[in-house]
Amino acid sequence: EVQVVESGGGLVQPGGSLKLSCGVSGFTLSSSWMSWVRQAPGKGLEWVAIIKQDGSEKYYLDSVMGRFTISRDNARDSLYLQMNSLRVEDTAVYSCAKGGFYPDVWGKGTTVTVSS
Amino acid sequence: EIVMTQSPATLSVSPGEGATLSCRASQSINSNLAWYQQKPGQALRLLIHGASTRATGIPGRFSGSGSGTEFTLTISSLQSDDFAVYYCQHYHNWPRTFGQGTKVEIK
Repeated sequence: EVQVVESGGGLVQPGGSLKLSCGVSGFTLSSSWMSWVRQAPGKGLEWVAIIKQDGSEKYYLDSVMGRFTISRDNARDSLYLQMNSLRVEDTAVYSCAKGGFYPDVWGKGTTVTVSS
Repeated sequence: EIVMTQSPATLSVSPGEGATLSCRASQSINSNLAWYQQKPGQALRLLIHGASTRATGIPGRFSGSGSGTEFTLTISSLQSDDFAVYYCQHYHNWPRTFGQGTKVEIK
C-alpha cells in the first residue's frame, strides 16, 4: 500500500523550533516531488513547501521563507520540515504529500501548536 | 499569487441527486487544476487533475471540466460516501493555492 505518515508535531512556544518527519512506503521516494501542506484550525489549506526528487529545487510559501527548511533523505524514505522561529499563526495540521503538482497520496497530518 | 474562489460555500443535496461545484482562478491557469475531497479526520483524496482527468480509482460519477479561469466539478447521483468538503487547487505556478472549499451536505 502506498502511504505517507507524518510525525513530530507537538506544542512549542513562540520562537521555538520543531522538526517534522514524513515516512513513506509503497513507492520509491526518489522518483517523486514531495510537499508539505498545512491547515490551520477552521481555515483553508496552505501549501508550505515543495522539494524536487533530488533536492535540487525547493520552493516555500512567502510567510515561512527563511524560517522553514524542507529536506529529504531518499535512502531513508523520509521527508522533513525543519521549522524555526515559530509563530502563533503557524499553528496547524501539517500534512505531507506525494507530488509537487497534484499530489496523489496524502497523510492525515501531524498537529503543530504554537502557544505560550 | 493566483487566488482560487469556490462557490457555493455550502451545497445541500439529496442522495441520488447531482451536484455542480464551481471554481474560479484570478488569472488563466490553462488546465492546471486539481480537485480533492476531504472528510473529517481523513487525508485529502485526489479526484481530478488536468481539470478533467479522473485520478486512479475515482468513480465515473465524478467529472471535471473547464479551462482558463472557470472550472466545474460535477458529481452525478450523489452517494452517502460523497458528502464531504471539496477543494480546487491550481498548479500553474508557485505558490500552489487552494480554493476555500465547498461543503456538500445532506439535504
